[in-house]
Amino acid sequence: GIQVEQSPPDLILQEGANSTLRCNFSDSVNNLQWFHQNPWGQLINLFYIPSGTKQNGRLSATTVATERYSLLYISSSQTTDSGVYFCAVPFTGGGNKLTFGTGTQLKVEL
Amino acid sequence: DGGITQSPKYLFRKEGQNVTLSCEQNLNHDAMYWYRQDPGQGLRLIYYSQIVNDFQKGDIAEGYSVSREKKESFPLTVTSAQKNPTAFYLCASSSLLSGGFTDTQYFGPGTRLTVL
Repeated sequence: GIQVEQSPPDLILQEGANSTLRCNFSDSVNNLQWFHQNPWGQLINLFYIPSGTKQNGRLSATTVATERYSLLYISSSQTTDSGVYFCAVPFTGGGNKLTFGTGTQLKVEL
Repeated sequence: DGGITQSPKYLFRKEGQNVTLSCEQNLNHDAMYWYRQDPGQGLRLIYYSQIVNDFQKGDIAEGYSVSREKKESFPLTVTSAQKNPTAFYLCASSSLLSGGFTDTQYFGPGTRLTVL
């Protein structure tokens, strides 16, 4: 099946700093989703981004499907951005299922 | 409010017992999913369902069972056959897309299961 790797695995930032998270996938995909899991475990969908760039407030995402990667940018980070960021791509063989990446654990400190 | 609810939030089970985790959605989604998350790990698919009275195994279905008698509900039973059931369980739902496309998935708040 498709492999999804994220980097870095862990990241510590000072509040106000910017960061870039990366998601690499091993096969061509027709969409990609980014999620944020807060410290209490709730997953929130951030972006549905098969290609191109989307922005939502301080967050933006870019997917380059032909090169099999996606980037999530966080600008002016806040302590509420802490948590784990996952990317997910369709399961090989379809079926409306997702394969999740390994995650990036982000901690934003004052 | 539209969304996905899971209950209970915390669940403690003795070895050898079966327990059932509840998942309800009022988003009118056809597809529902169960994931397992172990500490520091990603999500792994247990079971999924695209239509009432039909469901398929995911990557780690052994020791689990599900039912889909109503569109809104997709309960997960963790049986005594599951060797290491302590984990965080997440339920999700989505619309169904054709043509090999996958729609946005929405998640419930999760259930933390601990085996004593």
